[in-house]
Amino acid sequence: DIQMTQSPSTLSASVGDRVTITCRASQSISSWLAWYQQKPGKAPKFLIYKASSLESGVPSRFSGSGSETEFTLTISSLQADDFATYYCQQYHSFPYTFGQGTKLEIK
Amino acid sequence: EVQLLESGGGLVQPGGSLRLSCAASGFTFSIYAMSWVRQAPGKGLEWVSAISGIATGGTTYYADSVKGRFAISRDNSKHTLYLQMNSLRAEDTAVYYCAKRGSGSPSGFDFWGQGTVVIVSS
Repeated sequence: DIQMTQSPSTLSASVGDRVTITCRASQSISSWLAWYQQKPGKAPKFLIYKASSLESGVPSRFSGSGSETEFTLTISSLQADDFATYYCQQYHSFPYTFGQGTKLEIK
Repeated sequence: EVQLLESGGGLVQPGGSLRLSCAASGFTFSIYAMSWVRQAPGKGLEWVSAISGIATGGTTYYADSVKGRFAISRDNSKHTLYLQMNSLRAEDTAVYYCAKRGSGSPSGFDFWGQGTVVIVSS
């Protein structure tokens, strides 16, 4: 199985900050990576697919990059609505796997 | 508008069974792969199972943690996804989400239901 490891597990930041979350795969997944945002008690929201493609309706302050085994999610200027938990997910092969999550907290 | 509505969750004793349903609307259900993803209390997301669309004959896939105990199926005429869960264990306690594959193939999950809660406890 492909293991996905996110860092950091928790990130404290302020409105207006630029933040980056890293996701590493245990083997190459090409660009078959998605990012999700989840708020407490809610279903995950699809943000990015194929490592860097922004889903329709997602604000342009979100961006993704990377390929093979190393990926990043960047939020260019944090807004109050962005404080949530973020997950990466590989869909290169079954079983699909998620990272353990990165909780983005208000500093 | 895409909608996914899960049902069938509840409290069940260890060793028991439960069948979850996910009613889909707002898209051509039969052509899209669908998955179940779960989230244990206070934990991260865990992919559970997937079933392909009609073009690839409804092929099924399972996480090792549920293989042999859970069965995914779909009724394209009813636009409904199912998850039959047998031999339930305490560690199956979670919110279970159904999720639609995105338009690309392969793809992540572009739409999710609101989730249904399964509690396995005596």
